[in-house]
Amino acid sequence: NAGVTQTPKFQVLKTGQSMTLQCAQDMNHEYMSWYRQDPGMGLRLIHYSVGAGITDQGEVPNGYNVSRSTTEDFPLRLLSAAPSQTSVYFCASSRDFSTDTQYFGPGTRLTVL
Amino acid sequence: KNEVEQSPQNLTAQEGEFITINCSYSVGISALHWLQQHPGGGIVSLFMLSSGKKKHGRLIATINIQEKHSSLHITASHPRDSAVYICAVRGPSGNNNDMRFGAGTRLTVKP
Repeated sequence: NAGVTQTPKFQVLKTGQSMTLQCAQDMNHEYMSWYRQDPGMGLRLIHYSVGAGITDQGEVPNGYNVSRSTTEDFPLRLLSAAPSQTSVYFCASSRDFSTDTQYFGPGTRLTVL
Repeated sequence: KNEVEQSPQNLTAQEGEFITINCSYSVGISALHWLQQHPGGGIVSLFMLSSGKKKHGRLIATINIQEKHSSLHITASHPRDSAVYICAVRGPSGNNNDMRFGAGTRLTVKP
């Protein structure tokens, strides 16, 4: 199994551009989530999904959209990138909503100029 | 003030030393997690505990629920232990969307 994969690994955007961060898992996990990691701060939840077709907001959802059309994929869309969205983004998955162990992807480092 | 505080922020040790990383939290929890973030960025789960102590190889995690404090110990540290160690608490709901993460402790072990 590849586990949780994320693409791209690095990305530089200009302010106002849009892009999609891809996340996929091959473990048939129902729960998937997106976090951002900023210096000096802990991981913060952006959006999450408890299954295909079901998504909800986390702690810091503004400026991001998600969809979950399949169990495997959970893309994160930046609608109009801002410098404040410069961060490292992690996708994670777990068997279900309350399973203890979450599996994290390798991260995407995004810089918005 | 963050709900999850870790200390120290940075730690440098010589190979073989005993390492302690501390985590204090201010909210009610159902469990506490210790995670390891490798220099390349990947994050893996080390421990989940809700009471007492757990041991895995050279790593030991303890938690004191009354004092809202947990420690991660590494015995006989090795350069390959160099990583960021993250403490995370799971809220009373027990759900994955109800987690709070510390900012991490960056550990460097020198040969």
